[in-house]
Amino acid sequence: GAGVSQSPRYKVAKRGQDVALRCDPISGHVSLFWYQQALGQGPEFLTYFQNEAQLDKSGLPSDRFFAERPEGSVSTLKIQRTQQEDSAVYLCASSPSGEETQYFGPGTRLLVL
Amino acid sequence: RKEVEQDPGPFNVPEGATVAFNCTYSNSASQSFFWYRQDCRKEPKLLMSVYSSGNEDGRFTAQLNRASQYISLLIRDSKLSDSATYLCVVTSYSSASKIIFGSGTRLSIRP
Repeated sequence: GAGVSQSPRYKVAKRGQDVALRCDPISGHVSLFWYQQALGQGPEFLTYFQNEAQLDKSGLPSDRFFAERPEGSVSTLKIQRTQQEDSAVYLCASSPSGEETQYFGPGTRLLVL
Repeated sequence: RKEVEQDPGPFNVPEGATVAFNCTYSNSASQSFFWYRQDCRKEPKLLMSVYSSGNEDGRFTAQLNRASQYISLLIRDSKLSDSATYLCVVTSYSSASKIIFGSGTRLSIRP
C-alpha cells in the first residue's frame, strides 16, 4: 500500500519567500506529525494533529511557521518569510493513533538562500 | 543536558562483529521507547519497539533499564547493510510534544 508521501521533495527558496510543504499521510491514519531535521541531528518535533485538530504546536520555532490539516487527511506546513536557519529536512509522519509506530514520509529538503 | 542523549559515534566495526550502543533519557515519566534506523538522506524507519522485559528480533536485541534511564541496542553478527544511523526515540503521551529523538549513533560496518 501507499506510504506517507511529501511534496515537493526539494525546495530552494530565496530568503523572505513563503513556502508550503505538503504531506499525504497513510489513508486512515488519525495522527500526523511534522518534524524538522537539521544536518547531523535527530528529527525535532514541530506539531501534531489528531484528525483535523492541532493538539500540540509547541515545537513550531516561530510564528512564521503554520500547519493545518483541514479535512483530517492531507496536511500543509507553511513557512512565511523564510530565513536561512529554516534550511532543513521537514519530515512528516503518520500513525493509526498517537501511541503507535510512526511511519515517515521521505521528507522535503528545504534550502533557503 | 539534552533530554535524550546518544553517543554520535561513528562506530566502525568489522562485518560479523557484535556492537552495542546506549541511549539515556532524563524524563522518568517516559512511557514508550523505540529504535529507528535512518539511512543517509532517507527517512527514519522503525527498527523495533523497546519493551520493559527486553525484546529480540533476529540479530537485534533491545533492552530498557528504567532504574538507570537508558535503552540499549545490541546487533549481533553485523552485516554491511546494518551501516546506518540509529535513532532512539523516547515518548511520554501526557503530551505529544514529548516525542524526543536522540541525535543518532552512526554505525559503519566494514568488510
